[in-house]
Amino acid sequence: GAVVSQHPSRVICKSGTSVKIECRSLDFQATTMFWYRQFPKQSLMLMATSNEGSKATYEQGVEKDKFLINHASLTLSTLTVTSAHPEDSSFYICSARDPRLAGGQYTQYFGPGTRLTVL
Amino acid sequence: LAKTTQPISMDSYEGQEVNITCSHNNIATNDYITWYQQFPSQGPRFIIQGYKTKVTNEVASLFIPADRKSSTLSLPRVSLSDTAVYYCLVGGDSGYALNFGKGTSLLVTP
Repeated sequence: GAVVSQHPSRVICKSGTSVKIECRSLDFQATTMFWYRQFPKQSLMLMATSNEGSKATYEQGVEKDKFLINHASLTLSTLTVTSAHPEDSSFYICSARDPRLAGGQYTQYFGPGTRLTVL
Repeated sequence: LAKTTQPISMDSYEGQEVNITCSHNNIATNDYITWYQQFPSQGPRFIIQGYKTKVTNEVASLFIPADRKSSTLSLPRVSLSDTAVYYCLVGGDSGYALNFGKGTSLLVTP
C-alpha cells in the first residue's frame, strides 16, 4: 500500500511554544490530507481536512488559529500547534487518500503518528 | 457519513478464526467498507476494503451481504500479534474524511 510518513515521531515542548508536525506522502501525490487527534484509549477524532493550495477545513470545535495547517505541495502537509498547552498533549495522526485507486474506491493511508507532550 | 456499530471487545485464543461484525444500516450506494487495524501508539493500518460479496487478501477476508447493511471481517488463525483495535469504516469516493467509531479491541491469548 501507499506510504505516509510523519515527522517527528515524538516531541516534548514547554507550554507556550509552537510545534510543527510534517506529514508526507512518499510514493503518491495527495491533493487531500487529513489530520486526526487521538487521546489515550479513545478513537481517532478528525481535526481538519487539508487541501493542497487552499485553506484547510476544520471540524467543529477545533480552533483554526491554534492548529495551523498548511498544504503547500502535493506531498506535504504540516500541522503547527501554536502556543501549546498541556491539554494539547495527544497523539496526532495524518492520513492521505491515494488517488491512484480508481473505480470509486476510497482508501486512506495513515502516517505512524506523532506523540506530543506539552510540559 | 454512515455510522458504524461494532462490539467493543472480543477475546480469542491463538490459532482460532476471529470474526468481527460491523453494522452500518445507513450505508450509501457509493460507500465502500474499509477495515483498519491499530496498535498502541501507531497509526491505523489498512487491512481490507470491499463493496459487496466477499473480498479476500493475504491477511483477512471481508464478507458483505447483499443488503450491505453489515460486514464481517474474518481473521484466520489469529496470533498474539493480532491483538489490536479494529475499526470498521464506511465512506464513498467523495474525499470526505473517515468517521472512526470506537472500534473493536481484540485480545488474543495463548
